[in-house]
Amino acid sequence: AQSVTQLDSQVPVFEEAPVELRCNYSSSVSVYLFWYVQYPNQGLQLLLKYLSGSTLDKGINGFEAEFNKSQTSFHLRKPSVHISDTAEYFCAAYLNDMRFGAGTRLTVKP
Amino acid sequence: GAVVSQHPSWVICKSGTSVKIECRSLDFQATTMFWYRQFPKQSLMLMATSNEGSKATYEQGVEKDKFLINHASLTLSTLTVTSAHPEDSSFYICSASRLAGVEQFFGPGTRLTVL
Repeated sequence: AQSVTQLDSQVPVFEEAPVELRCNYSSSVSVYLFWYVQYPNQGLQLLLKYLSGSTLDKGINGFEAEFNKSQTSFHLRKPSVHISDTAEYFCAAYLNDMRFGAGTRLTVKP
Repeated sequence: GAVVSQHPSWVICKSGTSVKIECRSLDFQATTMFWYRQFPKQSLMLMATSNEGSKATYEQGVEKDKFLINHASLTLSTLTVTSAHPEDSSFYICSASRLAGVEQFFGPGTRLTVL
């Protein structure tokens, strides 16, 4: 069965600093991978997805993620964060159904 | 495109009553809809998957008689929490998919509080 592991439950960072949110998945076959962002009391917004093709997927709000098959990772990165990026971020993998990681709380401090 | 709405956005009810939550795909036809439950500071847990015109498939541990799901059309699915109790209080999120679940579009969620 597939599973998704987000290695950091909380990531505090200062404004304009770079950030990486880590995600590893376990699956012996190809999966589809997603990053979602959730603001308080709201649903999930798709940041970016990896279905096939390029290993570096560019999403909205300046985020990008790199798919690394050998390390079974799909880490999310942004070179310079803003206060407004403070939110919960979920990594997800789809094989037969969608499985979510536990989430990473990104807090951007001024 | 690919907008999903939920109604109501929040609801407070008394213990023992039933609550219906609607999930609509506004600008596309959703072959499959999903219902998730999210507890505070936790991830989403899949409750059930529904295809239009078929009975929903429930995840292990989810009581199908308590959480009734109807997917009557390609744009509407409903979740009814029957005889709600305080432990049913949670954030319920639906999603809709055109590609059998590969790419899902999420609704804004419904906050249910049972007193």
